[in-house]
Amino acid sequence: GQQVMQIPQYQHVQEGEDFTTYCNSSTTLSNIQWYKQRPGGHPVFLIQLVKSGEVKKQKRLTFQFGEAKKNSSLHITATQTTDVGTYFCAGLKGGNTPLVFGKGTRLSVIA
Amino acid sequence: GAVVSQHPSWVICKSGTSVKIECRSLDFQATTMFWYRQFPKQSLMLMATSNEGSKATYEQGVEKDKFLINHASLTLSTLTVTSAHPEDSSFYICSAPTGEETQYFGPGTRLLVL
Repeated sequence: GQQVMQIPQYQHVQEGEDFTTYCNSSTTLSNIQWYKQRPGGHPVFLIQLVKSGEVKKQKRLTFQFGEAKKNSSLHITATQTTDVGTYFCAGLKGGNTPLVFGKGTRLSVIA
Repeated sequence: GAVVSQHPSWVICKSGTSVKIECRSLDFQATTMFWYRQFPKQSLMLMATSNEGSKATYEQGVEKDKFLINHASLTLSTLTVTSAHPEDSSFYICSAPTGEETQYFGPGTRLLVL
């Protein structure tokens, strides 16, 4: 079945450093979504990427969707303590199919 | 935008009791809804697909007699955890596709079985 691999599993950074998490799908995706989950909270939708090669920015966050629509990345510039949490990618194959989640990358930021 | 609600948001129950969780699409119809489960420090794992007008389909390893799913209408799916045990304690979250390559998640239900 479809799999979504996400790395790294953990990342510890000093405040102000950059952070990147990567996702790779075993199959071509219709779109990919990114979620952030704070400790004790539920996943919160961040963004959806649909087009091949698409790049979207949200303040310090940059999201990319690969040309083959099989991989994606989330990059955070100059991390802050408020960025702490687990970032999940989730791939959608299309239509009424379920999202397949990566295992997530847990980011901790040291002040 | 589209909204999915989930009720209750958290529940604490005694071992052996049954718990019903509701998932509603508030401003769109969903012939399909998905139920996920998330154990602490793990990712969301698909449990089952709820289909309006037909039986739910369950992922491998998920007991259909324990996790009863009823898709009562085009806006409501319910998940009932029967005879809950402490190992069923988890975060249960539903999602509903809008039919436009987009899915929306409910806020989740945190279940604690004592």
